Amino acid sequence: DAGVTQSPTHLIKTRGQQVTLRCSPKSGHDTVSWYQQALGQGPQFIFQYYEEEERQRGNFPDRFSGHQFPNYSSELNVNALLLGDSALYLCASSFGGGGFITEAFFGQGTRLTVV
Amino acid sequence: SQKIEQNSEALNIQEGKTATLTCNYTNYSPAYLQWYRQDPGRGPVFLLLIRENEKEKRKERLKVTFDTTLKQSLFHITASQPADSATYLCALSTGGGNKLTFGTGTQLKVEL
Repeated sequence: DAGVTQSPTHLIKTRGQQVTLRCSPKSGHDTVSWYQQALGQGPQFIFQYYEEEERQRGNFPDRFSGHQFPNYSSELNVNALLLGDSALYLCASSFGGGGFITEAFFGQGTRLTVV
Repeated sequence: SQKIEQNSEALNIQEGKTATLTCNYTNYSPAYLQWYRQDPGRGPVFLLLIRENEKEKRKERLKVTFDTTLKQSLFHITASQPADSATYLCALSTGGGNKLTFGTGTQLKVEL
């Protein structure tokens, strides 16, 4: 059983560009959450998708957007990249129908570097 | 303001000893508290969950306590091994339970 897979693993972009990160959740999971983790910090919640809709959003600007597909996979898009967007982006999948998350399974992350 | 605080300094202990990590929070009323392990360059891995009405939870060499009055959780690793060296994150189920809010993590180093 494949766990959570993210692609790409590493990415280098230039300021002002746009980036799309992808996530396939663990088999049987219906909820995908995205987190940003800066060096030396804990993961920060960006948003969560369930039933192809954004259910909850953290304190991130509109430059961060996402999508969930019918097969539960998800994309994270970031527009107008800033140097401060450089971080490890983590996807977490869970099952709960949008209820309490009792255990989240994380992917290995995408390391985004903005130059 | 809401805060989740973990020991910011690395914890160095000798192999075989018990490691104790602390997670304190303010202005939250979480239904669940979770602990994750994270290795460098990898995503966090779930270890244990404890509910607000539980005082203690155990899993093999791991033990978690949860004191909702003190707003504190303690995470213990008994008979620690070098392989336990990692960063340990506590996370609260917040925002209606749909999201996890993480502390900054504590780096644990177990030395021979």
